[in-house]
Amino acid sequence: LAKTTQPISMDSYEGQEVNITCSHNNIATNDYITWYQQFPSQGPRFIIQGYKTKVTNEVASLFIPADRKSSTLSLPRVSLSDTAVYYCLAGDSNYQLIWGAGTKLIIKP
Amino acid sequence: DAGVIQSPRHEVTEMGQEVTLRCKPISGHNSLFWYRQTMMRGLELLIYFNNNVPIDDSGMPEDRFSAKMPNASFSTLKIQPSEPRDSAVYFCASSLAADYNEQFFGPGTRLTVL
Repeated sequence: LAKTTQPISMDSYEGQEVNITCSHNNIATNDYITWYQQFPSQGPRFIIQGYKTKVTNEVASLFIPADRKSSTLSLPRVSLSDTAVYYCLAGDSNYQLIWGAGTKLIIKP
Repeated sequence: DAGVIQSPRHEVTEMGQEVTLRCKPISGHNSLFWYRQTMMRGLELLIYFNNNVPIDDSGMPEDRFSAKMPNASFSTLKIQPSEPRDSAVYFCASSLAADYNEQFFGPGTRLTVL
C-alpha cells in the first residue's frame, strides 16, 4: 500500500531557501507528484507538479530523483506569507490518490 | 470563473439530523472530489467522480455518508444521521479529468455536530 511521508513541521527565516521532502513508496509509475499549499480557513491550493527530474515555476521548484521514491519542494527566498501547511500528493499503483499528512512551515522574521 | 462554490460555509446541527453539503465545480471540469479535514486525521479523500460517475468511494467512512452528482455542475454530500465525530471541514475540489492531480478546492464547509 502506498504511503506518503513528510515532516510534521519546519521553520525558517525570511529570505532563506526552504526544502521540504516527501517520501512516497509504491507510487504509480506514470503518475505525477503534486504539491499543495494551505492557509488557515482555506482549501489547499496547487503549487507545482512533476514527473521526474526538475520542474520550476514562478513559485517553487520540484526535484524528483530517478527512482521517484521521494520529491523535494523548494521555496526560494521565503517570506512571512509563505507560512502555511504544505502537502504532497501522489497516485499509487492502484491509482488511488495518496495525500501526505502535511508539513507546517513557519517563517520567522 | 468564480471557482469551486460550496454551500453552506458553516453548518451547526444536532446529532441525528440529516446534513447536506453542496458543491458547484468549475465549469468544464470533469472530475469532482469530496474531502474531509480534521486536526486528528488530516485531509481525507472521501469520494471522487469522473464525468458524474463515482470512481472511488473507498474513503467514505460508512453508510451514513452518501454522495451524488446528478449533473456536471452540481454535487451533494449527505450525512444521515449525523454524529459528533462527523464534525470537520468538508472540501469539494474539481479538476480536468486528464489532470486530476491539479485540483481546485472550494472554501470548505465547516460542520459542527452537537
